[in-house]
Amino acid sequence: AQTVTQSQPEMSVQEAETVTLSCTYDTSESDYYLFWYKQPPSRQMILVIRQEAYKQQNATENRFSVNFQKAAKSFSLKISDSQLGDAAMYFCAYKQGAQKLVFGQGTRLTINP
Amino acid sequence: DSGVTQTPKHLITATGQRVTLRCSPRSGDLSVYWYQQSLDQGLQFLIHYYNGEERAKGNILERFSAQQFPDLHSELNLSSLELGDSALYFCASSSQGSSYNSPLHFGNGTRLTVT
Repeated sequence: AQTVTQSQPEMSVQEAETVTLSCTYDTSESDYYLFWYKQPPSRQMILVIRQEAYKQQNATENRFSVNFQKAAKSFSLKISDSQLGDAAMYFCAYKQGAQKLVFGQGTRLTINP
Repeated sequence: DSGVTQTPKHLITATGQRVTLRCSPRSGDLSVYWYQQSLDQGLQFLIHYYNGEERAKGNILERFSAQQFPDLHSELNLSSLELGDSALYFCASSSQGSSYNSPLHFGNGTRLTVT
């Protein structure tokens, strides 16, 4: 079964600095999709960024970018110019085909003013 | 706003009772997923429906059941409730059928408290 591991339960960063959240996954498939979701204190689940495994180019969405290393099965999220509103739980997730999303345990990100 | 509507937002009930959580997916989405999130935990997959048919089951207890209706809304029924069932229950929808990269769009969740 596919598994997703986020090894950093908590991270903190100074406002305006850059932070990287780690994620590794385990799969024997070659075609799949990876996502980062953000869950602020409101508890909503908000899609931050997605990456198709067949694409070598790393996805970017404004201040959010990923470092996708397929061979290493690693999918880290980089947040540049951190803002107070970025404080949240961040979940890495894996999806293969039309199946469910498999989530990691999450990383709680704190932004220090 | 994700376009996924969940009702009610909050539910407080006693042990042994039965409740129904409701989800309306985004317009046009055929897939509905249910997830459970206990306090400070990740999201655990419960069940997936596609166009009215059950597609996959996760760690869903026998006391729990779900269905998706012809109008595509879904209901999650929780019975013989226990204290440990207290959690945030999310519904998510996606447009996938054969579209592999469709992300899931989540509702705001129903917070269930069992006392």
